[in-house]
Amino acid sequence: EMQLVESGGGLVQPGGSLRLSCAASGFTFSSYEMNWVRQAPGRGLEWLSYISRGGTTIYYADSVKGRFTISRDNAKSSLYLLLNSLKAEDTAVYYCARELWETGVRRIDYWGQGTLVTVSS
Amino acid sequence: SYELTQPPSVSVSPGQTASVPCSGNKLGNKYVCWYRQKAGQSPVLVIYQDNKRPSGIPERFSGSNSGNTATLTISGTQAMDEAHYYCQAWDSSTVIFGGGTKLTVL
Repeated sequence: EMQLVESGGGLVQPGGSLRLSCAASGFTFSSYEMNWVRQAPGRGLEWLSYISRGGTTIYYADSVKGRFTISRDNAKSSLYLLLNSLKAEDTAVYYCARELWETGVRRIDYWGQGTLVTVSS
Repeated sequence: SYELTQPPSVSVSPGQTASVPCSGNKLGNKYVCWYRQKAGQSPVLVIYQDNKRPSGIPERFSGSNSGNTATLTISGTQAMDEAHYYCQAWDSSTVIFGGGTKLTVL
């Protein structure tokens, strides 16, 4: 069974850091691009970052560029997001999401259950 | 930056057809995906490449995309379809989501 399981969320003070992890199973992790998406309480979906299969191509949303760092370890079938200089507005559920490319067409076809990050003093 | 606009809410009676629009500049030139998110759950892909259904998604879900508007259509809407629906496209290398539409089945 295909699974994406996020972990690492929690309560952190403003200005602090967290490292989120996403453990993949049930599929060949190294064959898929991956993304991080977040959702603030009662709000919509916000894309944060993308990483290619080999980790050589990375993109960020302007809202987190310079503060968040995406990475992956294909040997461990894991995706990571390092969150630095956290602000109250970073409070959200953070999802890892698998991206599928087929004949030039992309789609985000599977999402994890999310991990909650709360930034508060 | 590119934006996708959705109405905050749409209401439909059970058994009727629900239409959820998503607008963006020349959106018809991009492929659009749609996600359903029920309360307390993760998003689920229901339409990709404008009008393709992933396996397991009922035939009553369909999509279209032309000009500046993409539309998610749910035929014979059921109570279980009540959820938030998000459109999504790519602009250059970034993922763009619409603000989401709450579909209420009255």
